[in-house]
Amino acid sequence: KQEVTQIPAALSVPEGENLVLNCSFTDSAIYNLQWFRQDPGKGLTSLLLIQSSQREQTSGRLNASLDKSSGRSTLYIAASQPGDSATYLCAVPDSSYKLIFGSGTRLLVRP
Amino acid sequence: EADIYQTPRYLVIGTGKKITLECSQTMGHDKMYWYQQDPGMELHLIHYSYGVNSTEKGDLSSESTVSRIRTEHFPLTLESARPSHTSQYLCASRGYAGETQYFGPGTRLLVL
Repeated sequence: KQEVTQIPAALSVPEGENLVLNCSFTDSAIYNLQWFRQDPGKGLTSLLLIQSSQREQTSGRLNASLDKSSGRSTLYIAASQPGDSATYLCAVPDSSYKLIFGSGTRLLVRP
Repeated sequence: EADIYQTPRYLVIGTGKKITLECSQTMGHDKMYWYQQDPGMELHLIHYSYGVNSTEKGDLSSESTVSRIRTEHFPLTLESARPSHTSQYLCASRGYAGETQYFGPGTRLLVL
């Protein structure tokens, strides 16, 4: 059964720092991996989707990498801003294409 | 930009009332999902559908029911609300398996 783990659970950094969020999964036979952002009390916003054949995806200051063989993905945020403060979730689909979510990383960027 | 909508956004009701949470999407997606999430906690899948007249229960047991009569519409109903149903309910949809899954803004439900 697929399990998704995110480290760290919480992270506090000063504004301007580059940071890396980690996601690991136990079954490397994934179709794709998706990174989401969730603000308190809100829905999830899709940030990046990486297909299993891809190694990385970029969107603005965000860069996500995928290493299927080692069961890992990282989300790199460059030049962090207070507006980046949120919970970041990674998810992979199971064999029925239902998403399995990690428990998230709560990020606080201090001004 | 995701075109998936949920109404109401906030709902406060008394115990025993019947409620329906609405979810609709204009992207023509076959796959739709309902998740339940308590504040600061993980998402739990409670229902999903892979198309019209197809509904399945998710990983978390729920007293709610769903229907899928039209592709774009996936309402969730609680026949008799209880305080234990207080939570945030998130609707999502996706087209093909390899595509992005989009989420609605959520409905925050408080049952007194």
